[in-house]
Amino acid sequence: QVQLVESGGGLVKPGGSLRLSCAASGFTFSDYYMSWIRQAPGKGLEWVSYISSSGSTIYYADSVKGRFTISRDNAKNSLYLQMNSLRAEDTAVYYCARAYTAMWFDPWGQGTLVTVSS
Amino acid sequence: QSVLTQPPSASGTPGQRVTISCSGSSSNIGSNYVYWYQQLPGTAPKLLIYRNNQRPSGVPDRFSGSKSGTSASLAISGLRSEDEADYYCAAWDDSLSGPGVFGGGTKLTVL
Repeated sequence: QVQLVESGGGLVKPGGSLRLSCAASGFTFSDYYMSWIRQAPGKGLEWVSYISSSGSTIYYADSVKGRFTISRDNAKNSLYLQMNSLRAEDTAVYYCARAYTAMWFDPWGQGTLVTVSS
Repeated sequence: QSVLTQPPSASGTPGQRVTISCSGSSSNIGSNYVYWYQQLPGTAPKLLIYRNNQRPSGVPDRFSGSKSGTSASLAISGLRSEDEADYYCAAWDDSLSGPGVFGGGTKLTVL
């Protein structure tokens, strides 16, 4: 069955870096767009980034532009999010999701928690 | 402040019909599809409605979506206790440099 498993979350100090991974299985990864969405504790969903199937088209939320980099390795069926210059407001559960098209996400992974704190 | 506006809360009794609204603008809902997600407590979100009013397989027909102009609605009929969850609308926004937008979410309570 289709499965997405995120990893790489943890505690990091402000200004630090972290790389999230999302391992995909059960579908042809290279056929699909992928996305990262986050949810701060007790808050709503926030779209973070979106990458096309080939990696040639990428979008970012203004809140992370210039600090986060989305990428993918179709040979490894993996999606990544490199997060630099982390801030307290980046603290959230980060979900990866398969995207059929813009904002059409199905399924979602279980999420990985990133905590930015000194 | 979310680009898409949802009521923070809604409620109903078992068997009732409830609707959740999502208000946007011509650059998002007015010109793009709307999607709805259900997030049960402690779990990842799940797709409920795609392309305004389409249900993925496995989603009960008690859930329905509609769109008119710059607003959209999610309706839940025959309300059940297991429908108690947070609901989010989502759309692409053509005017934003960071174009993916979610509503602020609506917490549905089944009384």
